[in-house]
Amino acid sequence: AQSVTQLGSHVSVSEGALVLLRCNYSSSVPPYLFWYVQYPNQGLQLLLKYTTGATLVKGINGFEAEFKKSETSFHLTKPSAHMSDAAEYFCAVSEEFHNQGGKLIFGQGTELSVKP
Amino acid sequence: NAGVTQTPKFQVLKTGQSMTLQCAQDMNHEYMSWYRQDPGMGLRLIHYSVGAGITDQGEVPNGYNVSRSTTEDFPLRLLSAAPSQTSVYFCASSYSKTSGSETQYFGPGTRLLVL
Repeated sequence: AQSVTQLGSHVSVSEGALVLLRCNYSSSVPPYLFWYVQYPNQGLQLLLKYTTGATLVKGINGFEAEFKKSETSFHLTKPSAHMSDAAEYFCAVSEEFHNQGGKLIFGQGTELSVKP
Repeated sequence: NAGVTQTPKFQVLKTGQSMTLQCAQDMNHEYMSWYRQDPGMGLRLIHYSVGAGITDQGEVPNGYNVSRSTTEDFPLRLLSAAPSQTSVYFCASSYSKTSGSETQYFGPGTRLLVL
């Protein structure tokens, strides 16, 4: 069965510092991988996704993630944190089955705090 | 486009009451789904639909019913609410019913409190 593990339920960084949010997955087939962000009292918004091709994926708001098959990881990074990045971040994996669409399996979430 | 809309935004129920959470999308998406979000557990799939008249169970379907009579609407029904169903509920949709690589678009959520 597929699963997603996000290391660290809370991460705190200073404004301008590197953001690193960790995600590891298990899947028996090549996965599709996603990072979503949730701002307070809002729905989820896609940051970026990996489907096929280039393993370094760039997303919105300066975020990027690298798919490493050998490490079964899809860590999210941003070189310089902004106060506006404070939110909860979810890593998710999806497998493709005929006529079953994208059933997402989510990690537990990581809450990012940014200190001035 | 309004995207994915959900009503109500917040609801308080007593144990045993029933209610329907509404979800609608105006993007002509084939695939729609319901998730519940609980602290420390991420989001878990309740039910999903690959088109009008076709629904199936997700990871945590017990206590919930769905139907899909139109492409646009996908309501979630709680027949007899229990405190364990206190959660935040999200509806999502995506264009393709067959591809797992499709982006899913989420609604703003419904916060449900069952007393």
